[in-house]
Amino acid sequence: QKEVEQNSGPLSVPEGAIASLNCTYSDRVSQSFFWYRQYSGKSPELIMSIYSNGDKEDGRFTAQLNKASQYVSLLIRDSQPSDSATYLCAVKRAGGFKTIFGAGTRLFVKA
Amino acid sequence: GAVVSQHPSWVICKSGTSVKIECRSLDFQATTMFWYRQFPKQSLMLMATSNEGSKATYEQGVEKDKFLINHASLTLSTLTVTSAHPEDSSFYICSARDELAGETDTQYFGPGTRLTVL
Repeated sequence: QKEVEQNSGPLSVPEGAIASLNCTYSDRVSQSFFWYRQYSGKSPELIMSIYSNGDKEDGRFTAQLNKASQYVSLLIRDSQPSDSATYLCAVKRAGGFKTIFGAGTRLFVKA
Repeated sequence: GAVVSQHPSWVICKSGTSVKIECRSLDFQATTMFWYRQFPKQSLMLMATSNEGSKATYEQGVEKDKFLINHASLTLSTLTVTSAHPEDSSFYICSARDELAGETDTQYFGPGTRLTVL
């Protein structure tokens, strides 16, 4: 079992729809969770971090964390073609500095 | 804030030569930086954790004598690919933690360096 698992996609949604990206992790003592966006040929850029159970909203983005189910998700409202990218879920364990990245989900937003 | 730069952004070299890549935290200090490698259509692979003033910690399977890491100051880490071969051609990305920020676990990535070895 991979430490951080994501559906590779591609996930295709029409412009204006809600895109839902999911991630599960295996280490129950993980404490910090991140979503990064990576455009083709570019490095990852941070979208959101979340540390506590529940929802965290930032503009069109909402991260959801459920530690009991070891599940993190990212919702993108009013999806735009410019949101088309690969979304990386990342998880950091308690203690140490190492962050584990998922393989990413490719999102296509159709105009 | 939390800007990380890399230099060069791309480099082409001949097989057998060495290439140095610089990673700088521009507006914060970073005692810990990370070096990743990413092959086309694959995810990030952590190569090593760079520690200011001490030896880097390499991931399993990464040759420390081939990928030399130096973290001589709180704002600069360098990765040197020695005796590069075509299979070393990849996208190399560094990241750094802003240890004085409120969320110290967050990693900020540099723009990456695309290495092509002929």
